Amino acid sequence: AQSVSQHNHHVILSEAASLELGCNYSYGGTVNLFWYVQYPGQHLQLLLKYFSGDPLVKGIKGFEAEFIKSKFSFNLRKPSVQWSDTAEYFCAVNALEYGNKLVFGAGTILRVKS
Amino acid sequence: GAVVSQHPSRVICKSGTSVKIECRSLDFQATTMFWYRQFPKQSLMLMATSNEGSKATYEQGVEKDKFLINHASLTLSTLTVTSAHPEDSSFYICSARGLGVSPLHFGNGTRLTVT
Repeated sequence: AQSVSQHNHHVILSEAASLELGCNYSYGGTVNLFWYVQYPGQHLQLLLKYFSGDPLVKGIKGFEAEFIKSKFSFNLRKPSVQWSDTAEYFCAVNALEYGNKLVFGAGTILRVKS
Repeated sequence: GAVVSQHPSRVICKSGTSVKIECRSLDFQATTMFWYRQFPKQSLMLMATSNEGSKATYEQGVEKDKFLINHASLTLSTLTVTSAHPEDSSFYICSARGLGVSPLHFGNGTRLTVT
């Protein structure tokens, strides 16, 4: 079945640690890739997106993600996390050949200890 | 930036009644709107896709007679949960997309509790 997989459901880091959240998808063809973030008590916000071009995408708040087509991956990274990065992170894939739907991964809860 | 307004943010209703949730795009024309449901500790699950002026496309397993979706204009879509039951209690989120390929803009969600 077509799917989006996020490998870790719960990640705990200390401030200044580096972050990498995995995201893999199983769709072939042209895809658009997104990372959304949901801070406690707030709604989903777009963190960054990839449509085409440079596979290394820079988003807000120091986040970046790299699209590796051969690995069907779009991992999210940040060199040094802050306490304020505590949130839930969702990877999402929009596969054009599958009706343009946006399919989400299960989410990763990140807790940053101060 | 693009804003999507979802109303109400929280609703409590009795079993057997119907509840309507509105999703409005405030500063852009939303040709496509999506409705999601989020179960506790699970991912957002797409329920249906609605295109302005046409019938909604429901995902497998979603009862279209129970979850009525109307997308009557380019700025408004509604989700009506008919004859609600306690198992319908959940967090419902809408999102809207403008013309062409663009990111989704999400509403703040509606917490539905059926007693």
